[in-house]
Amino acid sequence: DTGVSQDPRHKITKRGQNVTFRCDPISEHNRLYWYRQTLGQGPEFLTYFQNEAQLEKSRLLSDRFSAERPKGSFSTLEIQRTEQGDSAMYLCASSSGQGYHNEQFFGPGTRLTVL
Amino acid sequence: AQSVAQPEDQVNVAEGNPLTVKCTYSVSGNPYLFWYVQYPNRGLQFLLKYITGDNLVKGSYGFEAEFNKSQTSFHLKKPSALVSDSALYFCAVRDQRHSSYKLIFGSGTRLLVRP
Repeated sequence: DTGVSQDPRHKITKRGQNVTFRCDPISEHNRLYWYRQTLGQGPEFLTYFQNEAQLEKSRLLSDRFSAERPKGSFSTLEIQRTEQGDSAMYLCASSSGQGYHNEQFFGPGTRLTVL
Repeated sequence: AQSVAQPEDQVNVAEGNPLTVKCTYSVSGNPYLFWYVQYPNRGLQFLLKYITGDNLVKGSYGFEAEFNKSQTSFHLKKPSALVSDSALYFCAVRDQRHSSYKLIFGSGTRLLVRP
């Protein structure tokens, strides 16, 4: 499978615990995005990388959230001191090319449940 | 501010009939517009996009969309619906004037095609 992969697919944690999610983009894609999707809503942008540089962060990304893409390949999203409001589907996407109009390809998502 | 509206939470159509899923957008400049489909427990799949040029855009699985600048709309259409088209559909926009790659999504429309 040459698509975007995410791990784990599901995560259940207790409030206050830290969690980390991984995203592997399509291999030739230099751009990587994280979105969050809650029930009944469309995805909301969290952050974006071009290669290893984090170029944009949403105001949704509080200081408890951190994302990295150390070698410009896979990325991790960490949530510290999780809260029940963090329960959501976390989606990763990647894209290639130089244009702003290139479509983003999404992974299957990681569903986080905070008890 | 950029925004997308999908005014219908659900669209019901009989198999074989034409379908339309509505989307309107708001951007300060010219838009890049996208349609994605989401099946249960799967990530978003790209269907089609409008960049510039011909207002009628053709995409995957027989879907097409019509860009109407005066009405700021980008409705998704298919001449003959299939039961397998039943899924959640998202419209998304990016403002060409902004140096940002993030997509702004609508809240989604659930399409139900009955046999």
